Amino acid sequence: DIQMTQSPSSLSASVGDRVTVSCRASQSISNYLNWYQQKPGKVPKLLIYAASSLQSGVPSRFSGSGSGTDFTLTISSLQLEDFATYYCQQSYTTPPTFGQGTKLDIK
Amino acid sequence: QIQLVQSGAEVKRPGASVKVSCRASGYSFTFYYIHWVRQAPGQGLEWVGFIDPSGASTSYAQMFQGRLTLTRDTSTSTVYMELTSLTSDDTATYYCARVRGPLLADDAFDIWGQGTMVTVSS
Repeated sequence: DIQMTQSPSSLSASVGDRVTVSCRASQSISNYLNWYQQKPGKVPKLLIYAASSLQSGVPSRFSGSGSGTDFTLTISSLQLEDFATYYCQQSYTTPPTFGQGTKLDIK
Repeated sequence: QIQLVQSGAEVKRPGASVKVSCRASGYSFTFYYIHWVRQAPGQGLEWVGFIDPSGASTSYAQMFQGRLTLTRDTSTSTVYMELTSLTSDDTATYYCARVRGPLLADDAFDIWGQGTMVTVSS
């Protein structure tokens, strides 16, 4: 199975900050990398698919980049509603695998 | 609108079985694979398996082999997940999720069910 490793595991930031979350795959996955946001008690929400494509309805302050094994999720200017846990997921091959999550909280 | 609606919370004894349903609406049911993902309390997301609603082919995570069965009913656009020989380690919220692209087994999950909490306790 392909292992997905996110860093950092947790992150404190302030409203207005620029934030980046990293995700590394244990082997090349081309651009088959997706990002999700999950708030406590809520369902995961797709933010970015195919490494850099913004899902419909997601604010443009979210962006994704990378290919091969190294990927990044960037939030350009944090808003209050962005404090959540973020997961990366590879869809290159079955089984799909998720990173362990990055919890973003308020500094 | 496009949605997946799951059955309600379940409480089971160790060794029992559970069957969770996921009803799709608002799109062509047979065109999109449905996956199941679970999340233990306070933990991350873990893939369980998928089913192709058109031909009923399935794939299961290795850790569930022999205990998991995914089925579908095209007449009601419903997918079912049955997990047997439950232990406390199976306590989790189980989500069904639709892939984003038609006819793709592996893709991002763009539509999620609301989740079904399964509690295994004696």
